[in-house]
Amino acid sequence: GQSLEQPSEVTAVEGAIVQINCTYQTSGFYGLSWYQQHDGGAPTFLSYNALDGLEETGRFSSFLSRSDSYGYLLLQELQMKDSASYFCAVRDQRGYGNKLVFGAGTILRVKS
Amino acid sequence: GAVVSQHPSWVICKSGTSVKIECRSLDFQATTMFWYRQFPKQSLMLMATSNEGSKATYEQGVEKDKFLINHASLTLSTLTVTSAHPEDSSFYICSANPDRANYNEQFFGPGTRLTVL
Repeated sequence: GQSLEQPSEVTAVEGAIVQINCTYQTSGFYGLSWYQQHDGGAPTFLSYNALDGLEETGRFSSFLSRSDSYGYLLLQELQMKDSASYFCAVRDQRGYGNKLVFGAGTILRVKS
Repeated sequence: GAVVSQHPSWVICKSGTSVKIECRSLDFQATTMFWYRQFPKQSLMLMATSNEGSKATYEQGVEKDKFLINHASLTLSTLTVTSAHPEDSSFYICSANPDRANYNEQFFGPGTRLTVL
């Protein structure tokens, strides 16, 4: 089976940089994803890493180390609107149409 | 592109009644869709995988006779909560991948908030 661990809460100030870590245990690894969810809303896709290294998309970056079973989401130039829950997730199998297993989520609070 | 809709967005029902929730992929076909349940301040827990043309695959601990899933077409999956009870009150979310290989992103519907009185 799969399990993921991430911090339950992180607080940071506007303009700062924050890193949300995720460690995982899987029987097979097919990529680590990150999703953002605002209160009462749908999760939205942020990033996907299948190979080691850093993927950058605007203010958000995601890193993966497969040897360490570890990844992180880096949020730069924090804005108030970034206050949300962030979930890391692993895919069950390779290819499309395969289920995701989510971590418990990290609540990010951005203060002014 | 890649929009998933759900209907209704919220529903209140009496204990013992059944509630149907629809999940539609609006601009793509999805052989597979997923149903999640999320309690307040908790993670998304996968309930079942909905497969067009075949039976759904349920996760361990999810009662298939209570949560009926029908994947009627390549763009529609329905979840029926039968004989609902207050403990079934939750946020139900569906997701789907477009039917093409190496698509890494899942698209989520806006969710349905179910309250059972």
